[in-house]
Formats: sequence, C-alpha cells, structure tokens
Amino acid sequence: DAGVIQSPRHEVTEMGQEVTLRCKPISGHNSLFWYRQTMMRGLELLIYFNNNVPIDDSGMPEDRFSAKMPNASFSTLKIQPSEPRDSAVYFCATQALNTEAFFGQGTRLTVV
Amino acid sequence: RKEVEQDPGPFNVPEGATVAFNCTYSNSASQSFFWYRQDCRKEPKLLMSVYSSGNEDGRFTAQLNRASQYISLLIRDSKLSDSATYLCVVKDTGRRALTFGSGTRLQVQP
Repeated sequence: DAGVIQSPRHEVTEMGQEVTLRCKPISGHNSLFWYRQTMMRGLELLIYFNNNVPIDDSGMPEDRFSAKMPNASFSTLKIQPSEPRDSAVYFCATQALNTEAFFGQGTRLTVV
Repeated sequence: RKEVEQDPGPFNVPEGATVAFNCTYSNSASQSFFWYRQDCRKEPKLLMSVYSSGNEDGRFTAQLNRASQYISLLIRDSKLSDSATYLCVVKDTGRRALTFGSGTRLQVQP
C-alpha cells in the first residue's frame, strides 16, 4: 500500500482564492482525520470522519473551511475564501480499528 | 490551559547522552497515550505506545503516571539520527481522534 496520499504537496495561492486539499486514505482504514500544523499552535485537529460520516468538526476554524468524504477512498478539505492566516501544513491521517494513525506527507499551503 | 503540554526545548545533547522528555495532560479520562516522532518537514510517525506499567523498545523507555497525569520518554545512548521533534499524544475515552502536544525538539550533536 502506498500509504495516505495527499495532494498537492505544495500550494501557493492568493488571498481570496478557493483552495482544495485532497486525501486518499489507506485502503480499509475507516477513520480519517484532517490536522493543521503551524509553528504557533502545533498540530490541531480540524475534523474527523468515521465510516465517511463527519463525527467532530469542532476544530474547523470558521465557515470558510469545509470538508467532505463522499466515499471511503477520498476526502477533501476546502478553504473559500483563503486568507494569509490559513498558511500552514495540512495533514490527513487515517486509521483502522486497532491500528495506529498513519499520516500523509502533508500539503504545505501558503496564502499570499 | 492546553490539553497536552510539553517543554518545546530545544534539548541539545551530545551523542551517547541520556535525555528525558516530559508531558502532562489535562483530561483525567484520557485512555491511550503515545509518543510520535516528527522529522523536519515530514509527517508525524508513531514511535511507541505508552502503557501503565511502563514499556521499553530498545533505547527508548516510556512511562505513564495516571495519578499525576504525566507521561515521559527516556532515550538512552542517543544517536545523531534521534534528532527530531517528539510529540506527546493522548486519546480520550470514546473519541478516535488524537490530541497532540506541541512537541519537544531534540538535537543530538557529534
């Protein structure tokens, strides 16, 4: 298995633009997590899904952020409109019932 | 107060030294505990789980003190390749998501 696959690896966008981050989980993993990492705040949970259903989105900073998991093989995190303070590394992690959480390589987002 | 607190470091130690990291957590209902390692510009990866009785994996020893809500990681005979950020991680009862500390940075010097 190739592990958790995130795309793009790097994204530079202008303030106000829409940004979509993508994640392909490890096959068979039924939990998926979106985290954001910054120097100031460390790793923060944004939202997580269990069996494609959003369970806890209390970490989503504001309405500009939305996440979907239309099927077991794919999830997106969208920011619309983006702002410079959204600049961070966004990680997707997935987990099966009795395994550790495996992280993707992350998407480094820069909003200018 | 943060849910999981760690000393950010950096800890600068010579090769061969023994170094210990500590972590405290605020939720007494937390059920599972881990140490993750994160290399510069890479994703976090599981280093080891932490059990109530304490556990060892080679040069690494993890301890949990539930009464004090305190977790520790001891690295013996440190190697240059141990240089990384070590993240203390807690999972609460009934919740699958992990809560991460901000990490402690370790730099092992020749």
